[in-house]
Amino acid sequence: EAGVTQFPSHSVIEKGQTVTLRCDPISGHDNLYWYRRVMGKEIKFLLHFVKESKQDESGMPNNRFLAERTGGTYSTLKVQPAELEDSGVYFCASSLQNMGGGYTFGSGTRLTVV
Amino acid sequence: AQSVTQLDSHVSVSEGTPVLLRCNYSSSYSPSLFWYVQHPNKGLQLLLKYTSAATLVKGINGFEAEFKKSETSFHLTKPSAHMSDAAEYFCVVSDQGGGGNKLTFGTGTQLKVEL
Repeated sequence: EAGVTQFPSHSVIEKGQTVTLRCDPISGHDNLYWYRRVMGKEIKFLLHFVKESKQDESGMPNNRFLAERTGGTYSTLKVQPAELEDSGVYFCASSLQNMGGGYTFGSGTRLTVV
Repeated sequence: AQSVTQLDSHVSVSEGTPVLLRCNYSSSYSPSLFWYVQHPNKGLQLLLKYTSAATLVKGINGFEAEFKKSETSFHLTKPSAHMSDAAEYFCVVSDQGGGGNKLTFGTGTQLKVEL
């Protein structure tokens, strides 16, 4: 079974530009999660989709971040406009059902805003 | 509210010696606890999980962890370190009883294994 795929693996953009991160979950996994690790900090929850619906977006830092999951398959996370403090590693995870953890994570997208 | 504290940011051991990575947790409900590992340029891999069954949990690659409620600890151990164990390890809590599913990560422990 293919794992959780994220791309790009790395992205370097200038402050003020827009970046879109993509996550392809394991096929059939209804639950999809986004997490982020900012440099020197712990990994933090951003949001949770169940199919195409946002179940919990309490971790989204501000309205410059927009997550979508059209059709309940892959998800995108757009940052517009990007700021320096958005730099970090963005992880996506998926699970077949709400397993309270134990999800399968992707390798992450390392975003650098300069 | 839930939180985890990983007591060591870096741990260095010699190959073949025991590994101990310490974690203390705080949770308002019956917690689910996990250890994840991240090797360089790889994703987060689940090592093991505790979900209120046996307090001694065995994971992959010879790792195990013991849930101690009285000490609010969930330390990760391995009897004999291997070079391939060098990675960053994360202790994670999820408040199952609270109906949530958000994972709260510790700050991570970098494990270095020397010859």
